Amino acid sequence: KAGVTQTPRYLIKTRGQQVTLSCSPISGHRSVSWYQQTPGQGLQFLFEYFSETQRNKGNFPGRFSGRQFSNSRSEMNVSTLELGDSALYLCASSLVGSGQGLSGNTIYFGEGSWLTVV
Amino acid sequence: AQSVTQLGSHVSVSEGALVLLRCNYSSSVPPYLFWYVQYPNQGLQLLLKYTSAATLVKGINGFEAEFKKSETSFHLTKPSAHMSDAAEYFCAVSGVSGNTGKLIFGQGTTLQVKP
Repeated sequence: KAGVTQTPRYLIKTRGQQVTLSCSPISGHRSVSWYQQTPGQGLQFLFEYFSETQRNKGNFPGRFSGRQFSNSRSEMNVSTLELGDSALYLCASSLVGSGQGLSGNTIYFGEGSWLTVV
Repeated sequence: AQSVTQLGSHVSVSEGALVLLRCNYSSSVPPYLFWYVQYPNQGLQLLLKYTSAATLVKGINGFEAEFKKSETSFHLTKPSAHMSDAAEYFCAVSGVSGNTGKLIFGQGTTLQVKP
C-alpha cells in the first residue's frame, strides 16, 4: 500500500509570493493533517481536514489555508510568504473518524515538502 | 490543555548501551501517546503508540515504552543501541478525544550513538 505522498519535495519561493503544497493520503484514509517543522518552533499543528471539512485548526495566521477534495487529497496554501515560513511542511493521514475507533488512530506521515523563502 | 515535555534535547550513548529517552505529558483526559522517529531529511516514522490497551508497548526496531500514569511519563527504551538508531525522536500526545489527526509534539531528542 502506498504511503502518504507529498509534492513537491523541495521548492524555493520569494518573499511575497504564494505557494501550494499537495498531499495524497494513504488509500482509505479520510483524515489529513498538516504540520510545520522548524528548528526554533519544532513540530506545530496547522490544521486537519476530514471529509472535505476543516475539523481542527492550529494557531497560525490566516495566510495559511488548506482544503481537501472528495478523493481525500489535500492541498495547503501559504500566501504572502515571509522568511519565517521557511520550514519542512509535513502531511499526515489517518483513519480516525472513519469508523475505526481509537484503535484506528495511527497517524502516518509523508516525507515532507521543504520550503525555502528568500 | 495538553502538552509534552521531552527531557534532554541531546542524548549520547555508546553502541550496545541502553537507550532511554524521556517523555512527560500533561493531559486533562486519558492520553493517547506516540513516539516517532525522524531520520535526516525524512518524514516521521511511527515507532509505537499507547492507546490504553497495555501499559508496556512494544514497537518497531526493538523499542518499547511504558506508560506510567502516576508519573505522567511515557519513556522510550531500547536495551542495546545500534548505530542505525541515530536520529531525532519525538514524543506526541493526541488531541483531546484521541479520535483526531491532531498531535501535540515535544521538542524532540536527538540520539547520538557512538561506536
